[in-house]
Amino acid sequence: DARVTQTPRHKVTEMGQEVTMRCQPILGHNTVFWYRQTMMQGLELLAYFRNRAPLDDSGMPKDRFSAEMPDATLATLKIQPSEPRDSAVYFCASGHTQRLLSYEQYFGPGTRLTVT
Amino acid sequence: AQSVTQLDSHVSVSEGTPVLLRCNYSSSYSPSLFWYVQHPNKGLQLLLKYTSAATLVKGINGFEAEFKKSETSFHLTKPSAHMSDAAEYFCAPSNFGNEKLTFGTGTRLTIIP
Repeated sequence: DARVTQTPRHKVTEMGQEVTMRCQPILGHNTVFWYRQTMMQGLELLAYFRNRAPLDDSGMPKDRFSAEMPDATLATLKIQPSEPRDSAVYFCASGHTQRLLSYEQYFGPGTRLTVT
Repeated sequence: AQSVTQLDSHVSVSEGTPVLLRCNYSSSYSPSLFWYVQHPNKGLQLLLKYTSAATLVKGINGFEAEFKKSETSFHLTKPSAHMSDAAEYFCAPSNFGNEKLTFGTGTRLTIIP
């Protein structure tokens, strides 16, 4: 049963520290999405990649957030320095897009980040 | 640009009674439409999808949804609610040719025993 994996599942850190979240997309999927979920804002798209190339990161605070795909099996989301307002659940999702047909996204279990 | 409205933030039904969760979208193009479910402290799970084939779509756990272009709606239904259906439900359209989904604000479904 193929699924998206995310690590760590929980992270508590102090303000100012660097946080790195990792995602392993489903094998064969060529799109990867990073979302943030909070009670106040709901589900927000932060960034997404197709074939490892970043296509849209307009939802991401550029000064402190960065997203990369070092290879097809790993996507990372980094926050440096972290702030209390970054506390949220961060989801990774993957999908497969072919010839611009829209396909469903499969979500990981999320990383719950608490910044104190 | 795509937008979506989930008309009810919270729906409560008794176990064994029908469920109706409403979703309206706006789009200049033919959309793909998805319903996702999120149980507490879990990720989002795909319930069903519409991608311009049959307008009545069946999903997992007895859920189904009907695409009505004239009403720009994609409401989610289930004939008989089960306690395990208690969760948050998200409607998400996308435009043809666009991989991004626009998620609604969610509807929290409560099942009364």
